[in-house]
Amino acid sequence: GAGVSQTPSNKVTEKGKYVELRCDPISGHTALYWYRQSLGQGPEFLIYFQGTGAADDSGLPNDRFFAVRPEGSVSTLKIQRTERGDSAVYLCASSPSLARTGNEQFFGPGTRLTVL
Amino acid sequence: AQSVSQHNHHVILSEAASLELGCNYSYGGTVNLFWYVQYPGQHLQLLLKYFSGDPLVKGIKGFEAEFIKSKFSFNLRKPSVQWSDTAEYFCAVNDPHSSASKIIFGSGTRLSIRP
Repeated sequence: GAGVSQTPSNKVTEKGKYVELRCDPISGHTALYWYRQSLGQGPEFLIYFQGTGAADDSGLPNDRFFAVRPEGSVSTLKIQRTERGDSAVYLCASSPSLARTGNEQFFGPGTRLTVL
Repeated sequence: AQSVSQHNHHVILSEAASLELGCNYSYGGTVNLFWYVQYPGQHLQLLLKYFSGDPLVKGIKGFEAEFIKSKFSFNLRKPSVQWSDTAEYFCAVNDPHSSASKIIFGSGTRLSIRP
């Protein structure tokens, strides 16, 4: 596709449930990022993949959050035992490379997660 | 640690007014600087970026920003705003030498333009 896509666009779940959020980056982009945006705030970094490996997961808030990118393209963000505080818009971004483009990141539309 | 401060949470202007949105960052080394915009109902998109060279950067839709290293600032400007500029604007910084290359965002400034 032309841009980064994310599914679902909206997800409503109950406290304690498990959710998966999917990101399809722009074809050929090797770098993929997950961010979380709470109401009234800017996006907050969660994790970054270069290819298949998580190069930096320092932004994941705790061990309930996990992300994978097994084939170096699509990524899934997984949240276990969801809590109401996890409610936010989860954004995915991709970038063709690090040095040449200066890390210009292209963002998807986000998944709005609501935990009841 | 890097951080970004956007001083104005909500700015209201009339059409044709001039705009300046403040942005300061805290990081002593080389930085890449960005302004992203989020129009109502749309996703984040890049407005302009600074990597090196001329500190006055021109972006899309008539926006520009000036990098002033001594002030750790990267303010966004537009000489004459339009109603269609109503959006949320985010300043962001990145360390180009960091292996993480994550972007640190400010909390955003909501811009409302009165027609």
